[in-house]
Amino acid sequence: AQKVTQAQTEISVVEKEDVTLDCVYETRDTTYYLFWYKQPPSGELVFLIRRNSFDEQNEISGRYSWNFQKSTSSFNFTITASQVVDSAVYFCALIVTSGYSTLTFGKGTMLLVSP
Amino acid sequence: KAGVTQTPRYLIKTRGQQVTLSCSPISGHRSVSWYQQTPGQGLQFLFEYFSETQRNKGNFPGRFSGRQFSNSRSEMNVSTLELGDSALYLCASSNPGQYEQYFGPGTRLTVT
Repeated sequence: AQKVTQAQTEISVVEKEDVTLDCVYETRDTTYYLFWYKQPPSGELVFLIRRNSFDEQNEISGRYSWNFQKSTSSFNFTITASQVVDSAVYFCALIVTSGYSTLTFGKGTMLLVSP
Repeated sequence: KAGVTQTPRYLIKTRGQQVTLSCSPISGHRSVSWYQQTPGQGLQFLFEYFSETQRNKGNFPGRFSGRQFSNSRSEMNVSTLELGDSALYLCASSNPGQYEQYFGPGTRLTVT
């Protein structure tokens, strides 16, 4: 069975601060994908990034960056120079490629960015 | 491409009633998954359909059921509603081999 842990329930920052959202996962499969989703107050989950288990390269997209480390089973997400529009709940998720697997989500981290 | 659409967006039902929620996937996507989101339990997987067949099912009672049509549109049904069924129901679509799922805006169900 798979498990995703997001230990930070809620984070509050002031605009322009950098913030890192932690994600730790557990799986016995060697081939899997990790994801981050953003859920604004409207409710829809917005896909942010996918990373496969064989690609440990960090990725940067604008103010967003992701740090994948298999050695610590972590897939952390950093927002640089946070903005009020970044306020949302962020979910980390995992899916294994064996069989008909489903997404396993963490409990989510609520990020509140105040002006 | 249009995104995943779900109808209705909001629904209020009474205990004991039944409800049907609808989901239209992104054009070309053949897999549809349903999730229940509540403050206490988070995001929980309900079931997945591919080519009109249920491929996977989460740990929910038989009151929760679903189906998929030949055009990949999907419906989920909850019978004999309970107060605990109040939740945001999210539908997501994907294609085999892509793994990332694209979510709709959800249907917020309130059971009174």
